[in-house]
Amino acid sequence: AQSVAQPEDQVNVAEGNPLTVKCTYSVSGNPYLFWYVQYPNRGLQFLLKYITGDNLVKGSYGFEAEFNKSQTSFHLKKPSALVSDSALYFCAVRDDAGNMLTFGGGTRLMVKP
Amino acid sequence: DTGVSQDPRHKITKRGQNVTFRCDPISEHNRLYWYRQTLGQGPEFLTYFQNEAQLEKSRLLSDRFSAERPKGSFSTLEIQRTEQGDSAMYLCASSEGQGMNTEAFFGQGTRLTVV
Repeated sequence: AQSVAQPEDQVNVAEGNPLTVKCTYSVSGNPYLFWYVQYPNRGLQFLLKYITGDNLVKGSYGFEAEFNKSQTSFHLKKPSALVSDSALYFCAVRDDAGNMLTFGGGTRLMVKP
Repeated sequence: DTGVSQDPRHKITKRGQNVTFRCDPISEHNRLYWYRQTLGQGPEFLTYFQNEAQLEKSRLLSDRFSAERPKGSFSTLEIQRTEQGDSAMYLCASSEGQGMNTEAFFGQGTRLTVV
């Protein structure tokens, strides 16, 4: 069975500072990894994905994520945080069968001015 | 708006009543998913369709839950004899193709409150 862990319930960062939101995964076979963001009373918005190739993946709104196979991690990063980045972030993994996404519990990002 | 749309956005119902939710996926997407999200948790997979065929159902989907996608376009999720534990956000998503590398696009969800 596949699983995703987001070890931090909340991450606090000052505006302009770099941010990292952590994610580790467990899956049989090749992992297909995704990050989504959720704003209050909204659905999930796709940010970026890792399928194969470069370990550093760039996505929407200046976000990027680094895939590390040996550590089974896929941490979300941004060089300079904005107050508007404050939201709930979900990491997800899909297995080789490609049937469903399994989500982590989410990390709330708070960016303070 | 060409995204995934869900109706209604909010539903309050009394325990024991039946409710039905509708999802309209992005038009060219052949895969459609239903997820449930409770407060403070990540979305949990319920079921998915490839065109009109329901290919997988989670153990979370009890006998009181049924989903359909009769013509391979919109889908409905029905909950019979609702219980307070059914209170959650029900999310629909769609994706194209059959591959592992395609991202799913989510609707804004239907928030169900059972009183």
